Amino acid sequence: AQKITQTQPGMFVQEKEAVTLDCTYDTSDPSYGLFWYKQPSSGEMIFLIYQGSYDQQNATEGRYSLNFQKARKSANLVISASQLGDSAMYFCAMREFNTGNQFYFGTGTSLTVIP
Amino acid sequence: DAMVIQNPRYQVTQFGKPVTLSCSQTLNHNVMYWYQQKSSQAPKLLFHYYDKDFNNEADTPDNFQSRRPNTSFCFLDIRSPGLGDAAMYLCATSRGRGRGGTDTQYFGPGTRLTVL
Repeated sequence: AQKITQTQPGMFVQEKEAVTLDCTYDTSDPSYGLFWYKQPSSGEMIFLIYQGSYDQQNATEGRYSLNFQKARKSANLVISASQLGDSAMYFCAMREFNTGNQFYFGTGTSLTVIP
Repeated sequence: DAMVIQNPRYQVTQFGKPVTLSCSQTLNHNVMYWYQQKSSQAPKLLFHYYDKDFNNEADTPDNFQSRRPNTSFCFLDIRSPGLGDAAMYLCATSRGRGRGGTDTQYFGPGTRLTVL
């Protein structure tokens, strides 16, 4: 079974609007972390935001917030006030803290911000 | 600034000619990872080191080898590159299991490999 599922291959959003990128995960480890990375066309993977499985509140980092719904095993990324520079691939990833050191990645969502 | 550095950023090699990609880190992290990423795909983990312990993914071809001579450096050796090995190669680090707290993975800028 897929550890991380991203069902949106491509998304479009109008500049200054908010957008939600979906991510669901599958694990039996009670201790895990969820991550979002941005990959612009240059290729570098940029860490955006982290959510721990025991965190009571949704993580926020500037214009990024993570809508964490533990019972549904979802960790959607919300980008507010989209900017042209937000156009990139976005990857959701998970780390299971009681097993190995691997990070599991989803297939990514390509976001295009329209002026 | 602490960071993950990859050299070179672009590498061109010939079919069958061995090539080595390098990665260094100033984060003093225990774990170093090598990923292969092809266009519009997720990164694919090739292997990782936890300190000196080498962990190979089951489906990583024997053509790919790695060395970690010390905490700071890790190398990816492709012994006989084929056309299918053309890809972006990403190096990443993390503190590792058991180190407590958030274990975020930090990436270098990548090396884009072309095989002629």
